[in-house]
Amino acid sequence: SQTIHQWPATLVQPVGSPLSLECTVEGTSNPNLYWYRQAAGRGLQLLFYSVGIGQISSEVPQNLSASRPQDRQFILSSKKLLLSDSGFYLCAWSVWTGRSTNYGYTFGSGTRLTVV
Amino acid sequence: DAKTTQPPSMDCAEGRAANLPCNHSTISGNEYVYWYRQIHSQGPQYIIHGLKNNETNEMASLIITEDRKSSTLILPHATLRDTAVYYCIATLSGTYKYIFGTGTRLKVLA
Repeated sequence: SQTIHQWPATLVQPVGSPLSLECTVEGTSNPNLYWYRQAAGRGLQLLFYSVGIGQISSEVPQNLSASRPQDRQFILSSKKLLLSDSGFYLCAWSVWTGRSTNYGYTFGSGTRLTVV
Repeated sequence: DAKTTQPPSMDCAEGRAANLPCNHSTISGNEYVYWYRQIHSQGPQYIIHGLKNNETNEMASLIITEDRKSSTLILPHATLRDTAVYYCIATLSGTYKYIFGTGTRLKVLA
């Protein structure tokens, strides 16, 4: 069965420090991978998505970057965190079956980042 | 993605059916309707999706109007654990990105 792992669950980082959040998927090949962010009390904002190794599409210009070094690994990074980077970060995957994505997106459990 | 409109909040008595509406009047012929829910501090969970036929699974039923301009997610016997934010998304099958709105906050009351 397919599983998605995201860590850490919570993180408190000082302003100006670097960030690295990792997401890995098991049990599937060539997934589409996504990073979303949810600010407190707000909806989900798509940050990045990737349809293959080394391919990254950015949806919102910001202080963050993403990389996909392996088929089932997706990394979210920042060189210097801002207070506004605080939020709930979610990784997700989907697989294109050629007809319809059978179960849509599968989300990880999320990382709650607080920048202080 | 077609724009979707949902009421910001709803209450439902435990054990009763919860009917969550979604308006997607600009939906195109090949866009699907997906429903997700997000329980507090967790990632969203897929519930169901459909194109034009009504759909049912172990979690819920999806009723899509004949003109496809609106749909209703039905939780047949709501429990306290169904308290969550419910998102309706109208999107092309196989699209690489979903646009989540603010959803409907459903509160199931004991």
